[in-house]
Amino acid sequence: GAVVSQHPSRVICKSGTSVKIECRSLDFQATTMFWYRQFPKQSLMLMATSNEGSKATYEQGVEKDKFLINHASLTLSTLTVTSAHPEDSSFYICSARDFRLAGGPSTDTQYFGPGTRLTVL
Amino acid sequence: GQQVMQIPQYQHVQEGEDFTTYCNSSTTLSNIQWYKQRPGGHPVFLIQLVKSGEVKKQKRLTFQFGEAKKNSSLHITATQTTDVGTYFCAGPMPHGSSNTGKLIFGQGTTLQVKP
Repeated sequence: GAVVSQHPSRVICKSGTSVKIECRSLDFQATTMFWYRQFPKQSLMLMATSNEGSKATYEQGVEKDKFLINHASLTLSTLTVTSAHPEDSSFYICSARDFRLAGGPSTDTQYFGPGTRLTVL
Repeated sequence: GQQVMQIPQYQHVQEGEDFTTYCNSSTTLSNIQWYKQRPGGHPVFLIQLVKSGEVKKQKRLTFQFGEAKKNSSLHITATQTTDVGTYFCAGPMPHGSSNTGKLIFGQGTTLQVKP
């Protein structure tokens, strides 16, 4: 399957600081990437959809001013957790959508990055 | 709103026993996807089912999509310790007639295998 990288894999920061997480699709272009949050022993919760060339769309209850998303190119999306607090500590996972209708077999698959474990002290 | 429910939440089996997890959606799905997440890891795509009543096999794993396209199951025959992890089903979030690619995940079934 396709490869999606995420950086950093782990970050510990002080309360009030901002943290930037990068998500890259390494071997395909992704016009759409998704950001999820996963708390221990829970499922993945979609936070927002990152669209190349346009504003991100956020799911209900997710503060767009707190979780800034930038989709700078077809292979890179970033999530910045601004003014992080301990309750923001979580496992953040991105996925890149491989969506093709022409030029071969159609496909619509999401490939997940390895995740970033954020701990806010 | 749309819900995707998965049972059981946890399953402990002896190595060699079979395992099944069930996924039920409150709405009809255009497709269903299955992912596996190892402890400490990230979800890895296993398979996508699209057709009503579809059955697909991957070695010891058998995936089924219900006739009504509202439920699905994953069955593992003769489990091995390498099967340990959490198995998630996921279906597309409805968004009118557009295909946004957004997924809603079930709660997952965590499989423990005793050697």
